[in-house]
Amino acid sequence: GAVVSQHPSWVICKSGTSVKIECRSLDFQATTMFWYRQFPKQSLMLMATSNEGSKATYEQGVEKDKFLINHASLTLSTLTVTSAHPEDSSFYICSARLETKNTEAFFGQGTRLTVV
Amino acid sequence: AQKVTQAQTEISVVEKEDVTLDCVYETRDTTYYLFWYKQPPSGELVFLIRRNSFDEQNEISGRYSWNFQKSTSSFNFTITASQVVDSAVYFCALRPYGNNRLAFGKGNQVVVIP
Repeated sequence: GAVVSQHPSWVICKSGTSVKIECRSLDFQATTMFWYRQFPKQSLMLMATSNEGSKATYEQGVEKDKFLINHASLTLSTLTVTSAHPEDSSFYICSARLETKNTEAFFGQGTRLTVV
Repeated sequence: AQKVTQAQTEISVVEKEDVTLDCVYETRDTTYYLFWYKQPPSGELVFLIRRNSFDEQNEISGRYSWNFQKSTSSFNFTITASQVVDSAVYFCALRPYGNNRLAFGKGNQVVVIP
């Protein structure tokens, strides 16, 4: 299957700082990538859909100024958590899907963010 | 809107027992895809299966099998002769055809006891 790489796997940051998470499709091009957030023992909640070359589409209740998404190339999308606070601590996971056919989404390894 | 229900939150089984995970979905779309993903403790989501709503044929892959019943809107997953490595959270998901958004169930935590 296709490979999606996410970096970093985990990060600890101080409250008030910003953190950038990268999501790369290694062996295919993805015009669309997705960002999810997962709290402990909970399901994945879609935060936003990242579109190459255009603005991301955010789900209701997700602050676009808080979670900045940039999809500058067909293989890279980034999520920046700005002015992070302890309540932003969570597991963030991205996914991408092959555009050539209606297939399954492939997920990155996820990033565990802890804000202290 | 789509809804995926996985009623069993945590299931414990002794190694070599079979375990079945239930998935019931709701959608108004006539064409859609159903998925199962495995999330081991490391966190990544591992794709297990994709099923087209037109294809109700059941599938077996090694110790895994899936039973798709469109009449009852269910897509159940069975692990036969469970092993400790099967311990993970398993998610059922639905995506309408032509739509990018995946709707996930809450997941089933499977604990296989040696």
